[in-house]
Amino acid sequence: RKEVEQDPGPFNVPEGATVAFNCTYSNSASQSFFWYRQDCRKEPKLLMSVYSSGNEDGRFTAQLNRASQYISLLIRDSKLSDSATYLCVVRNRDDKIIFGKGTRLHILP
Amino acid sequence: DTAVSQTPKYLVTQMGNDKSIKCEQNLGHDTMYWYKQDSKKFLKIMFSYNNKELIINETVPNRFSPKSPDKAHLNLHINSLELGDSAVYFCASSLQPKDANEQFFGPGTRLTVL
Repeated sequence: RKEVEQDPGPFNVPEGATVAFNCTYSNSASQSFFWYRQDCRKEPKLLMSVYSSGNEDGRFTAQLNRASQYISLLIRDSKLSDSATYLCVVRNRDDKIIFGKGTRLHILP
Repeated sequence: DTAVSQTPKYLVTQMGNDKSIKCEQNLGHDTMYWYKQDSKKFLKIMFSYNNKELIINETVPNRFSPKSPDKAHLNLHINSLELGDSAVYFCASSLQPKDANEQFFGPGTRLTVL
């Protein structure tokens, strides 16, 4: 099993719709979790950290399920500008940082 | 003001050459990183330095040698370049290596080895 796995997509979603994707991780001792966003030919940028109790930032909601070892990202009322690749990032107890391969999202007008 | 800067942005070179990529951050962070993103877009950490000291060194060929003259700079020198080294190399920094700290990435250096 890969350390961090994501559905590569692409997810093609009409504007205004809600979309969700998951990321699974294999190391049960993983400590910190993040979602990063990467636009085409650009650098990754932090979208949000993922907290144990779940957290929301505007239209974005992140959740962590430690029992099943996955994190999720939900985007409501999707905008054209949400089109990007979403990278799941896991930091382990030894500070090892692992990026998922990303999920591509296309918002369609 | 650019928080994390890298030079050059593009680098095209022949197999067997030696090249360097420079990275500087003006955020006052203690920790800096080098990542490689290959053609399949897989982003993988190569090195991490905290306060000029190496703390993470993934299984990277020893042709790659990072150098941190001070905590604001982390340069990457690559000897005897190979075709498989072609990728985008990202530098990043964070406040500290531990805990949940945001990483700030540079714009990337697109290396093409011919």
